[in-house]
Amino acid sequence: DAGITQSPRHKVTETGTPVTLRCHQTENHRYMYWYRQDPGHGLRLIHYSYGVKDTDKGEVSDGYSVSRSKTEDFLLTLESATSSQTSVYFCAIKGQGGNEQYFGPGTRLTVT
Amino acid sequence: AQKVTQAQTEISVVEKEDVTLDCVYETRDTTYYLFWYKQPPSGELVFLIRRNSFDEQNEISGRYSWNFQKSTSSFNFTITASQVVDSAVYFCALSDSFTGGGNKLTFGTGTQLKVEL
Repeated sequence: DAGITQSPRHKVTETGTPVTLRCHQTENHRYMYWYRQDPGHGLRLIHYSYGVKDTDKGEVSDGYSVSRSKTEDFLLTLESATSSQTSVYFCAIKGQGGNEQYFGPGTRLTVT
Repeated sequence: AQKVTQAQTEISVVEKEDVTLDCVYETRDTTYYLFWYKQPPSGELVFLIRRNSFDEQNEISGRYSWNFQKSTSSFNFTITASQVVDSAVYFCALSDSFTGGGNKLTFGTGTQLKVEL
């Protein structure tokens, strides 16, 4: 158990509204990641962080922003949600021993 | 750019059959990691194995085995004597270079394995 929680676990929101998803970890991991999972696409990286206030874009970053003001929390914000952002969002941390990543339980977001 | 291909979208087997899940990757990096993850119907992602590009030894863990071949850029996963509990989506993934690059993962599209009685 990598001590990763995500909140909320489920959310339904309307197009055009802002949404923030939270990832919280308890084991002081430096690297944190946000992925989205969609049928036919596997998981795709949105943004990642390599330390407090250090973030970078992934493959599908358009429409998303992130913030990391403290080690344990990595926030993903959809400034103005669109129906194409309906997805399951997973947060992950990089393991201490190697390059594997451990994932949180996921957040199912529906944009109507 | 990195790419992972899992050509098998869905596989159905009868319990106790052996099954192999294929994974082919593309990368320009000379050093990299490969991974397999399992996603059962409950939805969580479970890490199964990591293999680095220097180590081509096959690995066996119980009923699971992995065959890594750099010559064919493949990292295949075999389940021996499959069980209903093996039913899940299995993802193969590739990370970028060891140093720098953020160790980002590129995933394949997954293979849905259904094991029936």
